[in-house]
Amino acid sequence: ILNVEQSPQSLHVQEGDSTNFTCSFPSSNFYALHWYRWETAKSPEALFVMTLNGDEKKKGRISATLNTKEGYSYLYIKGSQPEDSATYLCALEFGNEKLTFGTGTRLTIIP
Amino acid sequence: DAGITQSPRHKVTETGTPVTLRCHQTENHRYMYWYRQDPGHGLRLIHYSYGVKDTDKGEVSDGYSVSRSKTEDFLLTLESATSSQTSVYFCAISAGLEQYFGPGTRLTVT
Repeated sequence: ILNVEQSPQSLHVQEGDSTNFTCSFPSSNFYALHWYRWETAKSPEALFVMTLNGDEKKKGRISATLNTKEGYSYLYIKGSQPEDSATYLCALEFGNEKLTFGTGTRLTIIP
Repeated sequence: DAGITQSPRHKVTETGTPVTLRCHQTENHRYMYWYRQDPGHGLRLIHYSYGVKDTDKGEVSDGYSVSRSKTEDFLLTLESATSSQTSVYFCAISAGLEQYFGPGTRLTVT
């Protein structure tokens, strides 16, 4: 079983500050890396899918990068807002479109 | 929500009883998945299906079986529920590059 590590496990950030967290993995032998946003009592919601080394994706104030050679992906949030409070999951996709998830980073924005 | 529903949404059952959870999708997607979500473990794949009657095991399949007799329905069965199967169960489908998740079923085994 491939270990997908996410750090930190939890994070408190002041409203308006920017933040970032990490997804790391030991192998580059995967099809794609996914980021999901998961609010309490809701379902995980897809943010980004990245497939190539050097990929960068952006959606509003949230962006992500992928470095397959060194085995990590960063998720950045610029100017955090209370609605950004959620758990952020990364997952690696292998054959048969199966995903292996990390345990997530729980982000809390302090007003 | 990609047309995914799960039933029941909540269930409390006793140890040793059989339980079946249903995932229903309305958009004819080929791939369907069952995950469980537990504190400290994130989402873990139980079983998945890549077509009618085509299923395979995931990371934590022991104690679970699945069936897919129609494209739109993917059933997860706990033949004899145990307390360790208390969890939140999510169904998902694969559409394009992304997976979309159902609303979840909270199962408590007493």
